[in-house]
Amino acid sequence: EDQVTQSPEALRLQEGESSSLNCSYTVSGLRGLFWYRQDPGKGPEFLFTLYSAGEEKEKERLKATLTKKESFLHITAPKPEDSATYLCAVRGQGGSEKLVFGKGTKLTVNP
Amino acid sequence: GAGVSQSPSNKVTEKGKDVELRCDPISGHTALYWYRQSLGQGLEFLIYFQGNSAPDKSGLPSDRFSAERTGGSVSTLTIQRTQQEDSAVYLCASSPGTASGNTIYFGEGSWLTVV
Repeated sequence: EDQVTQSPEALRLQEGESSSLNCSYTVSGLRGLFWYRQDPGKGPEFLFTLYSAGEEKEKERLKATLTKKESFLHITAPKPEDSATYLCAVRGQGGSEKLVFGKGTKLTVNP
Repeated sequence: GAGVSQSPSNKVTEKGKDVELRCDPISGHTALYWYRQSLGQGLEFLIYFQGNSAPDKSGLPSDRFSAERTGGSVSTLTIQRTQQEDSAVYLCASSPGTASGNTIYFGEGSWLTVV
């Protein structure tokens, strides 16, 4: 069974204080690892898809990286508007197109 | 429309009543998903539709839950005889197709409260 574990559950940063969020996964043949951002009362917003170990993708202050066992979402010099819950999900080769999600990391960036 | 549209955005219902939640996917997207998000929990897969193929119902928690997709577009999730544990946000999502890595785009969700 595909599983995703995200850590930490919550993270508080000061504006400008860089850090990383972790997503550990077990999957039978990775067909994509996905990062989403979710604001309170909203649906998840797509950020990145990574397919193979060593791949990296960037968007503004965010950079996602992937190894064979985990993914990191690096946040460089965060701003208060980066505050949100960040969700990680995987799609495996088990014959289903569904994504299996972790419980998320709630990020708060204080000014 | 530009994104996945869900209605109602909020629904309060009495225990034992039936509810229907509607999803209108992004135009041209052939795949449609329903997920449930309970307070403090991750997104839980419910059901997946792709074109005319038989849906993947493996995530439906009980036979009180059912979903249909008419004409390959709009979908309705029905919960019969609602229970308090059904209170959650029900999220619909769509994607262009089944090719590996197809991105799934979510709607804003339907917030269901069972009292």
